[in-house]
Amino acid sequence: NAGVTQTPKFRVLKTGQSMTLLCAQDMNHEYMYWYRQDPGMGLRLIHYSVGEGTTAKGEVPDGYNVSRLKKQNFLLGLESAAPSQTSVYFCASSRDNEQYFGPGTRLTVT
Amino acid sequence: KQEVTQIPAALSVPEGENLVLNCSFTDSAIYNLQWFRQDPGKGLTSLLLIQSSQREQTSGRLNASLDKSSGRSTLYIAASQPGDSATYLCAVRPPGAGSYQLTFGKGTKLSVIP
Repeated sequence: NAGVTQTPKFRVLKTGQSMTLLCAQDMNHEYMYWYRQDPGMGLRLIHYSVGEGTTAKGEVPDGYNVSRLKKQNFLLGLESAAPSQTSVYFCASSRDNEQYFGPGTRLTVT
Repeated sequence: KQEVTQIPAALSVPEGENLVLNCSFTDSAIYNLQWFRQDPGKGLTSLLLIQSSQREQTSGRLNASLDKSSGRSTLYIAASQPGDSATYLCAVRPPGAGSYQLTFGKGTKLSVIP
């Protein structure tokens, strides 16, 4: 099993550009999550999904959109990137209690 | 609002020492607490998960304890090795159906010196 994978690993965007981050899991987990990790702030939940076709807002959802069209995939979109969205983004999945994390995507917005 | 604190922010110990990492949380109403390890430039790896009804969990050289009433958890690492060097994070999950949002501490960066 590959576990949780994220694409791409690195990306540099200019302000105003858009992009989509892809998360995939092969563990048949119902729940999936998107976090961002910033120095001095710790990890914060952006959006999450409790099943295919459902999404919900986390602690810091502004500026992001998500979709869960297939159970194994969870997409995070930035419609108009801002320098404040420079961060490391982590995807995670869980069946119930224990969350499993992907390797992260380092995004820089200039 | 739940707040999770990890002290110290960084810790350096010689190889072979036993050590304790601390995690405290402000709201004792939690569903579970999870300890993670994060290596530089990598994702998080789950180490131990303790349910609110449990007092401790053990995995190899790691032992995590939970005192919900006092809002504290400790991660004990026995006979530390240089390979244990990493940042250790704790996270708590609130109770209630549909409560999936983990609140993370900022981590303790551990360096084990050969």
